Amino acid sequence: DTAVSQTPKYLVTQMGNDKSIKCEQNLGHDTMYWYKQDSKKFLKIMFSYNNKELIINETVPNRFSPKSPDKAHLNLHINSLELGDSAVYFCASSLGTVSNEQYFGPGTRLTVT
Amino acid sequence: QKEVEQDPGPLSVPEGAIVSLNCTYSNSAFQYFMWYRQYSRKGPELLMYTYSSGNKEDGRFTAQVDKSSKYISLFIRDSQPSDSATYLCAMIKRGAQKLVFGQGTRLTINP
Repeated sequence: DTAVSQTPKYLVTQMGNDKSIKCEQNLGHDTMYWYKQDSKKFLKIMFSYNNKELIINETVPNRFSPKSPDKAHLNLHINSLELGDSAVYFCASSLGTVSNEQYFGPGTRLTVT
Repeated sequence: QKEVEQDPGPLSVPEGAIVSLNCTYSNSAFQYFMWYRQYSRKGPELLMYTYSSGNKEDGRFTAQVDKSSKYISLFIRDSQPSDSATYLCAMIKRGAQKLVFGQGTRLTINP
C-alpha cells in the first residue's frame, strides 16, 4: 500500500494553462505539506495544512492555491502556469505539526513549455 | 546566505569506502537534525534523526551533530552501490513547523 500518493506523476503543459496536482495519504497523519524541488535539487516548503487548516504559507505566488478537503487529502491548483513553475512538486505528511519525521510522496514532475 | 549549506557534489567513491557527508548552518536555534535519502526520480525518505549535539548510529550509518560549530555529518561505512542517491540534510527549530533543507549531495558508489 502506498503511504503518500500523488497524481499525476508527470505533467506537461503550456504556459498560461491551469492545472491541479492531487495528494492522498493513508497513514492517518494530520499534517500535510507541499514542497517544490528545483533543478538543483533544492527542496523548499510551499504550504502546510493541519486538519484542513492552513498553517504554513511561504512566499509563493497567489497563482498557487492549496485545498484540503479532509485531512487525508491535499491538492495544489496552479493558475496561469509560467516557465519558472517547472519543477518537481512533492507532497508529504507527518503526525502532528512538529514535523521532524515527514513521509514524502513520489513527486509530480511538472514541465511548462 | 542560505540558512543551511550543503555541498551538492557530485561525490563518487569506490564500494566499501567510508563516506562523509556534511552540512553547516547559521542559525543556532536549530535543535533537530535529520538526514533524508532521495533515490533518482523518487521522494525523499527519512534516514536518521538526531536531537541536539552528539552521535547516533544505525547500522552502517552514523549521524553526528556539533552544535558549537554548527556542523552536522552523516557517515556511511562499508558503502554499497545501493547507497547511491542524493542525501539531504534538514533541520528544524524547537517549536517550529518548518523543515529547512540543504541542497543535497549527490553520491555515487562505484562497484
